[in-house]
Amino acid sequence: DAGITQSPRHKVTETGTPVTLRCHQTENHRYMYWYRQDPGHGLRLIHYSYGVKDTDKGEVSDGYSVSRSKTEDFLLTLESATSSQTSVYFCAISEISPVKWYEQYFGPGTRLTVT
Amino acid sequence: DQQVKQNSPSLSVQEGRISILNCDYTNSMFDYFLWYKKYPAEGPTFLISISSIKDKNEDGRFTVFLNKSAKHLSLHIVPSQPGDSAVYFCAAIRFNQAGTALIFGKGTTLSVSS
Repeated sequence: DAGITQSPRHKVTETGTPVTLRCHQTENHRYMYWYRQDPGHGLRLIHYSYGVKDTDKGEVSDGYSVSRSKTEDFLLTLESATSSQTSVYFCAISEISPVKWYEQYFGPGTRLTVT
Repeated sequence: DQQVKQNSPSLSVQEGRISILNCDYTNSMFDYFLWYKKYPAEGPTFLISISSIKDKNEDGRFTVFLNKSAKHLSLHIVPSQPGDSAVYFCAAIRFNQAGTALIFGKGTTLSVSS
């Protein structure tokens, strides 16, 4: 299994509070991603990173920011959580290599509930 | 507009029979297609892939077929086993600055009964 951990695994927070989710990898992969999974929507890309300090927006980036100060860590921040951000959040990593360049490895997920 | 579509939310199959999961896409520029499998409370795991220049890829009990003219792919599982019960996501890649950022369908829940 790829070395990807997410913390916390579960969190309940109140509307309007800031929340930071952490993704940590031990694979030294260049690319890191944050997705959210919601019923009826599959997984949707929030933000991604293609190197340290290099990040960009995905499909559903409104209300989220990210930072990557080290290769191994990718942080997702909800500046002011809303109930619509209740979801399961997955981090993923990938590397460009001659073999299986397309494959992404996913973390175990963080279940976030905003009340 | 959804670029990757899985129109069947669920599929029920008996053990030993074939499971066929379908996926349609709208963007002819996709480079690669993948199937991911997801169990409850776990992250998705890679199952099988196919390049846009191929029409079939086989790995054990799993075969993926790609029909580019119809913009359609399907995953065949033969024989189906109870342990195959999971949510299956079809995903597509168009390689760019985002690397291998995946575009997912909504998923199909497969239930295999013994």
